[in-house]
Amino acid sequence: AQSVTQLDSHVSVSEGTPVLLRCNYSSSYSPSLFWYVQHPNKGLQLLLKYTSAATLVKGINGFEAEFKKSETSFHLTKPSAHMSDAAEYFCVVSGLSWGKLQFGAGTQVVVTP
Amino acid sequence: DADVTQTPRNRITKTGKRIMLECSQTKGHDRMYWYRQDPGLGLQLIYYSFDVKDINKGEISDGYSVSRQAQAKFSLSLESAIPNQTALYFCATSGGGDEQFFGPGTRLTVL
Repeated sequence: AQSVTQLDSHVSVSEGTPVLLRCNYSSSYSPSLFWYVQHPNKGLQLLLKYTSAATLVKGINGFEAEFKKSETSFHLTKPSAHMSDAAEYFCVVSGLSWGKLQFGAGTQVVVTP
Repeated sequence: DADVTQTPRNRITKTGKRIMLECSQTKGHDRMYWYRQDPGLGLQLIYYSFDVKDINKGEISDGYSVSRQAQAKFSLSLESAIPNQTALYFCATSGGGDEQFFGPGTRLTVL
């Protein structure tokens, strides 16, 4: 079985400052991990994915995430927040069977001017 | 993703009514999924289908049914809607890999 815990339900940052969204996972094997973003009234868009290649994964819009097996973490970062980054972010782990996705509860990001 | 469309985008209905949500995709994927999203719970899987003849229950299938009319179409029905089915519903597709592609969602309100 696998599970995902997003450690912050809300994160507020100032424009131009770094963003850190924390995610821990539990899995009995080497999982695939994803970050999705959901802008208001929009569907989910894939930001990036980890599939056992490089542990530092670069995604769209300047985001990146680092897979740390020893810490069972997959935190998402961005060096400088933009107003358009205001959205909800989901950390997702892929299950053993047929790619079943397990979603975290989400982190709402607010960006202030 | 414009390749996955959902209709309607918004729906308000009353308790006891039958509702159908539709999903179409042009990605040519075999696998399709229905999720519901509730605040603070992320997305939960309702049903999934690996091809036209393969339908499976997800985590929260009670009160829902589905129909896979074609490779490109997967509809979700609420036979008798109840207020706690008020949620945002998403359809998704995948081509066999882990990555799923999501539609824009349907906001359903049951009064």
